[in-house]
Amino acid sequence: EDKVVQSPLSLVVHEGDTVTLNCSYEVTNFRSLLWYKQEKKAPTFLFMLTSSGIEKKSGRLSSILDKKELFSILNITATQTGDSAVYLCAVEAGNQGGKLIFGQGTELSVKP
Amino acid sequence: DSGVTQTPKHLITATGQRVTLRCSPRSGDLSVYWYQQSLDQGLQFLIQYYNGEERAKGNILERFSAQQFPDLHSELNLSSLELGDSALYFCASSVGPGGIYEQYFGPGTRLTVT
Repeated sequence: EDKVVQSPLSLVVHEGDTVTLNCSYEVTNFRSLLWYKQEKKAPTFLFMLTSSGIEKKSGRLSSILDKKELFSILNITATQTGDSAVYLCAVEAGNQGGKLIFGQGTELSVKP
Repeated sequence: DSGVTQTPKHLITATGQRVTLRCSPRSGDLSVYWYQQSLDQGLQFLIQYYNGEERAKGNILERFSAQQFPDLHSELNLSSLELGDSALYFCASSVGPGGIYEQYFGPGTRLTVT
């Protein structure tokens, strides 16, 4: 059965800290891995990763994929209170279609 | 704002009833996906349509059905509603059929079954 596991499930840090969120997966026919940020409502897209070892970066956020070890990390540097959210990792797998398999999410709380 | 729209925002209905949720994808996107998010199950994929055709199916209940119309909007029909169907229902869209296309999520419809 396909599965995506995120760790930790929750994290409390102070502003300015750097955090690393983990996502491991076991799926058939991996196609891509996506990170989303979910605040109050809809998940907002952060990154899509398809190739190993290539870092994707957007401001203070960055992510990398390791297809050999089947995991990805999301780094957030110089955290701000606005980074408080649930971060979701999803894997697209299978022979057709774009079905996303989501992890449980990591709830990040950034204290002032 | 992702460009994906969903109506209604909230829906409260009774057990046994039937409801229809509506989704309009981003301009230019041909794929529409439906997901259910509940506290105990997290985000679960229900079904995908690509250019009017069903493309992939998840663990969607037989009481649920969906379709995508020629103008590419989609509707998710939920019937014989049960208390356990209370959840947030998200629609997402992407340009292509899957694999390397980013999915963008709509604001969701919160369904409460009483």
